[in-house]
Amino acid sequence: AQSVSQHNHHVILSEAASLELGCNYSYGGTVNLFWYVQYPGQHLQLLLKYFSGDPLVKGIKGFEAEFIKSKFSFNLRKPSVQWSDTAEYFCAVMGGNTPLVFGKGTRLSVIA
Amino acid sequence: DTAVSQTPKYLVTQMGNDKSIKCEQNLGHDTMYWYKQDSKKFLKIMFSYNNKELIINETVPNRFSPKSPDKAHLNLHINSLELGDSAVYFCASSEVHSGSPLHFGNGTRLTVT
Repeated sequence: AQSVSQHNHHVILSEAASLELGCNYSYGGTVNLFWYVQYPGQHLQLLLKYFSGDPLVKGIKGFEAEFIKSKFSFNLRKPSVQWSDTAEYFCAVMGGNTPLVFGKGTRLSVIA
Repeated sequence: DTAVSQTPKYLVTQMGNDKSIKCEQNLGHDTMYWYKQDSKKFLKIMFSYNNKELIINETVPNRFSPKSPDKAHLNLHINSLELGDSAVYFCASSEVHSGSPLHFGNGTRLTVT
């Protein structure tokens, strides 16, 4: 069964700091990878996705993620965070006919 | 227009009661899902329906019964509610069963007292 591991439970950054959130997955076959964001009190929104092709994918709001197959990783990055990026971030993986499996989430707090 | 809509947004009820949560999507998607998000924000799939047919039924008590009258609707009925059922329940839909990103509803916060 596939699983997703997000290394950081809670990350606290100052505005303008760079962000990298780790995500590793376990699945032997072809995978589709996603990052979702959940702002306080809201539903999950898709930030970006990787299906195939260029392993560096760009999403909304200046986020990007890099798929490194050899490391089974799909880390999320943003060069300069803003206060409005405060949210919960979920990495998710879908392989074969299995449903979307989420990591446990990383809470990002951006302080002024 | 809301793509995936759930009602109610909040649901407070007592143990032992039966309640339903409704979900509708107007995206023309074939597949719909129910996810449960616990107090630690962990999201776990409960059910998946593709064109009204049950595809995935994870380890969920049989007190939970999904019903899909058509491919645009997936309702969740819960019998004999327990304290541990308190959570946020998210409905979602996707174009096809595998590979497509999910579009989530706003969630239903269920509190069982």
